Amino acid sequence: EAAVTQSPRSKVAVTGGKVTLSCHQTNNHDYMYWYRQDTGHGLRLIHYSYVADSTEKGDIPDGYKASRPSQENFSLILELASLSQTAVYFCASSDAGPGANTEVFFGKGTRLTVV
Amino acid sequence: SQWGEENLQALSIQEGEDVTMNCSYKTYTTVVQWYRQKSGKGPAQLILIRSNEREKRSGRLRATLDTSSQSSSLSITGTLATDTAVYFCATDQTQVVGQLTFGRGTRLQVYA
Repeated sequence: EAAVTQSPRSKVAVTGGKVTLSCHQTNNHDYMYWYRQDTGHGLRLIHYSYVADSTEKGDIPDGYKASRPSQENFSLILELASLSQTAVYFCASSDAGPGANTEVFFGKGTRLTVV
Repeated sequence: SQWGEENLQALSIQEGEDVTMNCSYKTYTTVVQWYRQKSGKGPAQLILIRSNEREKRSGRLRATLDTSSQSSSLSITGTLATDTAVYFCATDQTQVVGQLTFGRGTRLQVYA
C-alpha cells in the first residue's frame, strides 16, 4: 500500500525559530506536495515538486521553503516561524499531476504550534 | 486563489439515511476528486470524476459532475456510523500541473 510518512507528528516551536518538517514516501511517486490545513478550512497548497532537486510554489508559499533532495524525501522549512503558521501540515504524493487519473496519497499530518 | 466553494457545512443524520454533499467551483476543471478525512488522519481519496463524465459510482458512493453549472455532488447511500468524517472536493482549477484546489469541506456526523 502507498505510504507517506511525516515527522514529527506534532511540534511546538518558538516564534522566530527554524522549523523543519520531513516527509518520506515509499510509493516511487514523482509528485510530492505540502499542504496546510487550518481549522474550518480545506487544504491549501504551499509547495510541490515533480522531480528531485526542484520545487514549485503553490498557492501560499510565503514564509515557507521546500527541499526535495531525493525522489523519496520532501521537506518543508520555516526559517522564521510565526504565530500565523500554527496549523496542521500534510505531505502528499502522487505518480502524476492532478488532472490525470491519479490518486493523491496523504500522510497523517504534523500539528505545528508556534508560541 | 480559487477555491472550491462548498461551504463548511455540518450535517447530522441517522445511520441508514442517504446524504448528498455539494461542491461548486469557479473555473474550468478537468477533474473533481472527492476526499474523506477522518478525525486525526490525512485525507483519503474516495472517487475521481473527469470533466467528460457525468456520474461515477463506487460502492455506496455516487459522484456527479455538471460542468455547465460548475458543480459536483457526492452522495452516500445507507450511511454508516463509520462514514462520520469531513468530506472535501478538490479540483485542478488552476490548470497548473500539480495543483489541487480544495473546498472547505462538509462535516458529516452519522449517529448509530
